[in-house]
Amino acid sequence: GAVVSQHPSRVICKSGTSVKIECRSLDFQATTMFWYRQFPKQSLMLMATSNEGSKATYEQGVEKDKFLINHASLTLSTLTVTSAHPEDSSFYICSAARAGGGNEQFFGPGTRLTVL
Amino acid sequence: AQSVTQLGSHVSVSEGALVLLRCNYSSSVPPYLFWYVQYPNQGLQLLLKYTSAATLVKGINGFEAEFKKSETSFHLTKPSAHMSDAAEYFCAVSTSNTNAGKSTFGDGTTLTVKP
Repeated sequence: GAVVSQHPSRVICKSGTSVKIECRSLDFQATTMFWYRQFPKQSLMLMATSNEGSKATYEQGVEKDKFLINHASLTLSTLTVTSAHPEDSSFYICSAARAGGGNEQFFGPGTRLTVL
Repeated sequence: AQSVTQLGSHVSVSEGALVLLRCNYSSSVPPYLFWYVQYPNQGLQLLLKYTSAATLVKGINGFEAEFKKSETSFHLTKPSAHMSDAAEYFCAVSTSNTNAGKSTFGDGTTLTVKP
């Protein structure tokens, strides 16, 4: 149980285009989902926290107009990188937590974004 | 506020040797503590977690960790390293008064296992 999927696993796009990444909790309801960014050989950097049906809470320094997060249901959150540029190339990982889960997060497999 | 420090960005052991990955935390309230493993180009997999029950926590793949409040530590150990243990390991802390599950991660420790 507690499986989280991400789609796509890898995406290559041209500079200036927008990319949408989906994060789904497959067998549980995720009251909270998190989006992280990870640069090579570095730790996870929390970008934002999203709760179902409400606006995401962004971490300091993360542009909310550039990284649009939607958490429309208890099993789906999306991250849209708008007008992507090469510096947005990174590994994006989502995680999901369920109510009463003891603060445990379940991680998706990640999405490798490459912006040309 | 909460924080995590992982001592040693790289640890190298021989196959069959003891694995010790160090983690110290800082938290103003009782913490939840986690160890995750990450293989290249993959997400994080939970190894074990401490949630205020037993201080010695056993996880998957033969790993265990001991919560020591007096030392604010949660070091990860495995008696005998296997080649498949080579990966990146992250320690994380969260507290019950934050957004459900919001965690702070350490910088990670790369474990290399030599044959």
